[in-house]
Amino acid sequence: NAGVTQTPKFRILKIGQSMTLQCTQDMNHNYMYWYRQDPGMGLKLIYYSVGAGITDKGEVPNGYNVSRSTTEDFPLRLELAAPSQTSVYFCASSYGQGDTGELFFGEGSRLTVL
Amino acid sequence: QKEVEQDPGPLSVPEGAIVSLNCTYSNSAFQYFMWYRQYSRKGPELLMYTYSSGNKEDGRFTAQVDKSSKYISLFIRDSQPSDSATYLCAMSAEYGNKLVFGAGTILRVKS
Repeated sequence: NAGVTQTPKFRILKIGQSMTLQCTQDMNHNYMYWYRQDPGMGLKLIYYSVGAGITDKGEVPNGYNVSRSTTEDFPLRLELAAPSQTSVYFCASSYGQGDTGELFFGEGSRLTVL
Repeated sequence: QKEVEQDPGPLSVPEGAIVSLNCTYSNSAFQYFMWYRQYSRKGPELLMYTYSSGNKEDGRFTAQVDKSSKYISLFIRDSQPSDSATYLCAMSAEYGNKLVFGAGTILRVKS
């Protein structure tokens, strides 16, 4: 069991470039999430999904897009990267309704936009 | 005002000390409360989970929730250098989802 796997671990982008952060989980979890973590700011929810084909905005969705075509994968797309998107991004998953709601996190993707 | 307030620290203590970590919140609808531990360059992992008010103990860790004061605490007894990490409180009005996280407190336990 690999749990939640994120790629890449590190990436440097130039302003205006685009990229996709990949996330896959092998726990058959229905719920998946993308958070960003900035120093002293905690974790902010970007987007989440309650199942394949269903996504919804979180607290800070601007500048990002997601899709959920399978239960396992939940990629995060950054269009026209801006310095404000410099952050550490975490993907997480959970069983969802009916359990303790524990989130299982990946190890993070560190993105720098210059 | 932030929905969840948590002192970012850092908090530095000697090995063996009792550590108290705290969060306050403003949303009275919160009823699910969690503590996550995050080691450097790693993702957070669930440490403690509490529903509504009361105490919960797990080994050296005790979580307390006081809903009347909108205040939650995590106590670590006999702290160890391996406890050095960032501790994030998280809470939700819905069953485990749409968690709102605190900023995290950096804890350093010196040997």
